[in-house]
Amino acid sequence: GDSVTQTEGLVTLTEGLPVMLNCTYQTAYSTFLFWYVQHLNEAPKLLLKSSTDNKRTEHQGFHATLHKSSSSFHLQKSSAQLSDSALYYCALSGPNYNVLYFGSGTKLTVEP
Amino acid sequence: NSKVIQTPRYLVKGQGQKAKMRCIPEKGHPVVFWYQQNKNNEFKFLINFQNQEVLQQIDMTEKRFSAECPSNSPCSLEIQSSEAGDSALYLCASSDRNTGQLYFGEGSKLTVL
Repeated sequence: GDSVTQTEGLVTLTEGLPVMLNCTYQTAYSTFLFWYVQHLNEAPKLLLKSSTDNKRTEHQGFHATLHKSSSSFHLQKSSAQLSDSALYYCALSGPNYNVLYFGSGTKLTVEP
Repeated sequence: NSKVIQTPRYLVKGQGQKAKMRCIPEKGHPVVFWYQQNKNNEFKFLINFQNQEVLQQIDMTEKRFSAECPSNSPCSLEIQSSEAGDSALYLCASSDRNTGQLYFGEGSKLTVL
């Protein structure tokens, strides 16, 4: 079945260092991949989405490229900010009624 | 600010009690989803609707949960007999179905004592 794997549960970085959060997925369908971000006590919000192979997508300083050959959609940012501290979820849109299958999430903490 | 409105933000129930949460989806979005976010921050899909009809649901939802999205009223998710393991954040989301993107509310945090 459809699934998403995020290998890092916790990532702690110093402000200014690059961010890379891993996401791999498994699906039998051509679909959308998403990154959602959830700040403390807030609703999860869309950060990025893509369905196009090998095309970089960017938003709010973050970027990701969908690589269908390796089933990956890693999230990157060149320089972490304190305000980036949040939960980050990679998600896959399944074939049935747009149900999103979420990875287990990565808690990013950015320290001064 | 989220345009998906969930109430209440917090509810506390004893084991065996009913727990009911409501959701007003974003205007114009025909599909509504409920997810459970547990204490480990993991998301579990529960059920979704298109207009008033159930599209998909998991086994757990069929047995102890009831949900509906009546016309011109908020959607609701009700746990018939709460268990300690139901303590979680219940997130409602809506979608226009065209983009696959979900728009989430801030959630209802349920604590079962």
